[in-house]
Amino acid sequence: DSGVTQTPKHLITATGQRVTLRCSPRSGDLSVYWYQQSLDQGLQFLIQYYNGEERAKGNILERFSAQQFPDLHSELNLSSLELGDSALYFCASSALAIMAPDTQYFGPGTRLTVL
Amino acid sequence: GQSLEQPSEVTAVEGAIVQINCTYQTSGFYGLSWYQQHDGGAPTFLSYNALDGLEETGRFSSFLSRSDSYGYLLLQELQMKDSASYFCAVRVNTGFQKLVFGTGTRLLVSP
Repeated sequence: DSGVTQTPKHLITATGQRVTLRCSPRSGDLSVYWYQQSLDQGLQFLIQYYNGEERAKGNILERFSAQQFPDLHSELNLSSLELGDSALYFCASSALAIMAPDTQYFGPGTRLTVL
Repeated sequence: GQSLEQPSEVTAVEGAIVQINCTYQTSGFYGLSWYQQHDGGAPTFLSYNALDGLEETGRFSSFLSRSDSYGYLLLQELQMKDSASYFCAVRVNTGFQKLVFGTGTRLLVSP
C-alpha cells in the first residue's frame, strides 16, 4: 500500500459523458501527478500539481482538466469522452516539487471504460 | 521528442538470471528509472540511475551508460512472483521535468 488513494476503482460510462477521478496523496506530499495507461500508448504523463498550482503539463488533451484543492487532494476531469479514452488512470504523489522517481508513489489506479 | 525501446516479452525459469534492456533517444536526459507492474496493479519504483554504472538493490540491479543511451535491469534468482511487466522510464527536462515511459517488457517466470 503506497498511501495514495484513488476513487473510484472502476468506472463505466458512455461516449460523450463527463467523469471525475479523485486522488488523495500520501500524508505530507504536496505534488500530485496524473498518468494515463492505455494498451496502445503505454504509460503517459498528463499533468502535475504542486501545492495547489499547476506545475507541469504533459500529453493532456484539452477535453481533460485537473485541479488540486487546499486539502491537497486532486481531481481529474474528463469530458466529451471517446472510446479511446478507455484506460487506466494513475495518480502519483511526491513530497517534492521536482520530478524525482525515487520519491514518487503511485496509487492503485482507476479503470475507465467508455462504451 | 523522446523514444524508448525495450523488448515486449522475456521468458525465464525460476532461479535464473534475466536482463531487460532499454535504449532511449531523448533530449534533456537526467536519468533512467525502472518500474515493476503486476497485472491490474500500480507501477512500483525499482531503481534510478542518474550516473553511469551499476546500482544494486537486493536481487535487482540496474545499469546505465549515458554515452550509449542504454540501460538494463538485471533480475537474479528469479521467483514466480517476479512475473510482471517492467518499464524503463527516462527522467527528462523539456522546460519542466517529467518521466517518459517505455512500452514495457512482460516477464514470464516458469517453474
